[in-house]
Amino acid sequence: AIQMTQSPSSLSASVGDRVTITCRASQGIRNDLGWYQQKPGKAPKLLISAASSLQSGVPSRFSGSGSGTEFTLTISSLQPEDFATYYCLQDYSYPCSFGQGTKLEIK
Amino acid sequence: EVQLVESGGGLIQPGGSLRLSCAASGVIVSSNYMNWVRQAPGKGLEWVSALFSGGTTYYADSVKGRFTISRDNSKNMLYLQMNSLRAEDTAVYYCARDRKGLVGYYYGMDVWGQGTTVTVSS
Repeated sequence: AIQMTQSPSSLSASVGDRVTITCRASQGIRNDLGWYQQKPGKAPKLLISAASSLQSGVPSRFSGSGSGTEFTLTISSLQPEDFATYYCLQDYSYPCSFGQGTKLEIK
Repeated sequence: EVQLVESGGGLIQPGGSLRLSCAASGVIVSSNYMNWVRQAPGKGLEWVSALFSGGTTYYADSVKGRFTISRDNSKNMLYLQMNSLRAEDTAVYYCARDRKGLVGYYYGMDVWGQGTTVTVSS
C-alpha cells in the first residue's frame, strides 16, 4: 500500500502569511492527489484535486502543485477562516491513503 | 441536491456488531466509487473501505475480516457491517464519493456525509 507522509504536523501562522504544506508519497502516484480542509466537527471538504485543480468555490489563495511523489499545498495569504486541519489523500490506487494531517493554528 | 446521510452509529460493547447506512441523493451509489472513512477522537482521517461501481471491494488492514461493505441498488444505499468491534474502532464514520469512478472527472472525494458516531465501550 502507498504511504503518504505529510509535513508539518502543525503550523502556527498569522493572518496574511503564506504557508506551505507538503505530502510525499512512498511511490509515484502521477497527480492523483487531493487536498482537504477539515474544521472541527465538520466533514472534510475537497479543496484541490489532481494535485493542482481548484474546486469550484474555493478561493484562489489556495493552490497545489506537484506530481509523482512530491506535492505541496500553498495558501498565499492566510485568512481567519483558513485556520483548520488539512489532509492530503492519494487515490491513485486502492487502498487509498491519507496524510497524517496538518493543523494550522493562529499565531 | 447531492447529499449523503449516514446513520446507524451508537454505543456498542466490545465484540458486538453494528451496521452503518449511508443514504444517497443526487449520487447513484451503484455508479460510483463509494467509501467509508473514519476519524477517531482527536485523530486524523483513516480510510476504511471502498466499493467500486463494478463491485470490487477494498478494506484497510485494520478492519479486514471484520467489516463488510455493501450496497442496495434499489434503495440507493451504502452499508458498512461491522463485526467483532474493538475499542479502537471508536470513531466518527463518514461515507464519501470518490470521482475516480467517473469518466472525465478529476479524482477526489467530493461528496461527504455529516458522519455517524460509533463508540465501542463496555
